[in-house]
Amino acid sequence: NAGVTQTPKFRILKIGQSMTLQCTQDMNHNYMYWYRQDPGMGLKLIYYSVGAGITDKGEVPNGYNVSRSTTEDFPLRLELAAPSQTSVYFCASNPGRRTYNEQFFGPGTRLTVL
Amino acid sequence: AQTVTQSQPEMSVQEAETVTLSCTYDTSESDYYLFWYKQPPSRQMILVIRQEAYKQQNATENRFSVNFQKAAKSFSLKISDSQLGDAAMYFCAYMGPYNNDMRFGAGTRLTVKP
Repeated sequence: NAGVTQTPKFRILKIGQSMTLQCTQDMNHNYMYWYRQDPGMGLKLIYYSVGAGITDKGEVPNGYNVSRSTTEDFPLRLELAAPSQTSVYFCASNPGRRTYNEQFFGPGTRLTVL
Repeated sequence: AQTVTQSQPEMSVQEAETVTLSCTYDTSESDYYLFWYKQPPSRQMILVIRQEAYKQQNATENRFSVNFQKAAKSFSLKISDSQLGDAAMYFCAYMGPYNNDMRFGAGTRLTVKP
């Protein structure tokens, strides 16, 4: 079991460029999440998904898009990158509704927009 | 909206001593879950301990225990017999009953002195 994997680990973008952060989990979890962590801060939810084909906005969705075509994958798309999107991005998964299991986190992607 | 507050940006403890990290939260839900996560320099989010709101008994995991005061909306973490490996950022987190939104505090940086 690899758990939650994220690629890439690091990336530097220029302002206006686009990229996709990849996230895959092999635990057959229904729920998946994307968070961002700004320096010295806690994590904030960007988007989440409760199953394939179903996504919804979190606390800070502006500037991002997601899709969920399979249970395993939940990519995060950045369009027109801005310096304010410089952050560490975490993907997480959870078995599903009405469980108290913790969220399982990936190792994070450090993104810098210059 | 639910908020999580950690009022101690930094804490320090002598090796083998005990330290308590504070966390308060705000919610109108009666059924929810609380967590403490540890984030070492590797950035990996590691679950330390969790508490279900409907359980009155405080959770314990080896040297880690919580003081859960539901009426006061307080959820502090006690680390006993502190070890050098406990040095990290600690985040308090709240999750509502539907697993679709985990809210994090800003974190407490714990230093352990030898």
